[in-house]
This record gives sequence, C-alpha cells and structure tokens, in this order.
Amino acid sequence: NAGVMQNPRHLVRRRGQEARLRCSPMKGHSHVYWYRQLPEEGLKFMVYLQKENIIDESGMPKERFSAEFPKEGPSILRIQQVVRGDSAAYFCASSPGRQDLSYEQYFGPGTRLTVT
Amino acid sequence: AQSVTQPDIHITVSEGASLELRCNYSYGATPYLFWYVQSPGQGLQLLLKYFSGDTLVQGIKGFEAEFKRSQSSFNLRKPSVHWSDAAEYFCAVGAGTGANNLFFGTGTRLTVIP
Repeated sequence: NAGVMQNPRHLVRRRGQEARLRCSPMKGHSHVYWYRQLPEEGLKFMVYLQKENIIDESGMPKERFSAEFPKEGPSILRIQQVVRGDSAAYFCASSPGRQDLSYEQYFGPGTRLTVT
Repeated sequence: AQSVTQPDIHITVSEGASLELRCNYSYGATPYLFWYVQSPGQGLQLLLKYFSGDTLVQGIKGFEAEFKRSQSSFNLRKPSVHWSDAAEYFCAVGAGTGANNLFFGTGTRLTVIP
C-alpha cells in the first residue's frame, strides 16, 4: 500500500510566479490536510479537505493561497504570486473517512518550496 | 485555544542512555495526543497516540508515552536510545470532535552521541 505521495519534492520559483503542489492520499483515504513548516518551527495547519469540499481552511492565508481536492486526481495546493516568505516545507497528510480513525493522519515526504 | 509546548529545543544523549522528551499541552476538552518523528528531509512518522483508556501508551521503535492529565503532559520516553533515533520529535494535539487539524509543538531535536 503506497503511502502519501507528494510532488514535486523540491520546487524553486521566482517571486511573482505560481507554485502548484500536489498530494495523492493513501489508497482508501478520503481526507486530506495541508500543513506548512517554516524553518526551525513546527508544522502549522493550513486546510482540511474531503473530496470536492473544503472542510476547514482556518489556517490558510487569506490571499494568494487556495486548495482543492477534486473528485478525480490529487489534491492541489496553489500559491499565486509567491513571495520569499512562502519558502517553506509543505506537508500533506491523509486519513481514513471513519470518524474513529480520523485523527490518524499519515504524512507525505513534503514539498520544499524555495522562492528566489 | 489549543497549544503545545515542547520546552527542550535540543537534547543530546549517549547511545544506550535513557531518553525523556517533554510535552505540555493546553486544551479545554479531552485531548487527542500524538508523537511524530521527522528524519532530516523526510516527512513525519507517527510514533504513538493517545485517545483514551490506559494512560501509558506503547509505540513503535520501543517508544512509550504517558498521559498525565493533572500536569497536562504527554512525555515521550525510551529506555535505551539507538543512534538511529537521532531526529526531530514533534508532539501534537488534535482538536475536538468535528475538527481534524493537529496543533504541533515546535519540536525537539535529538542528537545521539556514541
């Protein structure tokens, strides 16, 4: 059973460009979460999605950031007009749809975004 | 509001020595508590979790943690550290029913010396 997959693993963007980060959850998982890890810090929750629905986006910056989890295909975290402060590691996690297992989040290897 | 404090930024232990990593949380209801480990350049791996029941939980790789409600703590322990345990360790608390985001501490970096 393949784990959570993220690509690309490393992404370099110039200021003002767009960054697209992809996440494929574990097989059978219908919940996806995105976290951001700044250097020397812990992970910070950004958004929680189920298929075609954003459940909780309380951690998402109000501008330039968006996320989706379509019916088919991976979840996408999109950052428009990137700035240097967006440089971070972005982690995706997934969990089963069952409420009693909903806290068992399995993390992907992350995408390290560098904005130059 | 939920929060997690890991007071030790960096800990160094000798191989074979015992280990305890501290974690204190703030949460109004019964917490869901986790320890994750992150090796350099890698994602997070779940070591163990506490949802309810026995307050001493066993995890993978010989780790255990004890939930102490009176102290709002969930410290991670291992009786004998191996060189391969060198990594960053994160404690996390899960928000209540209906909210599935995890709140992480800032991490403790473990160095193991021969």
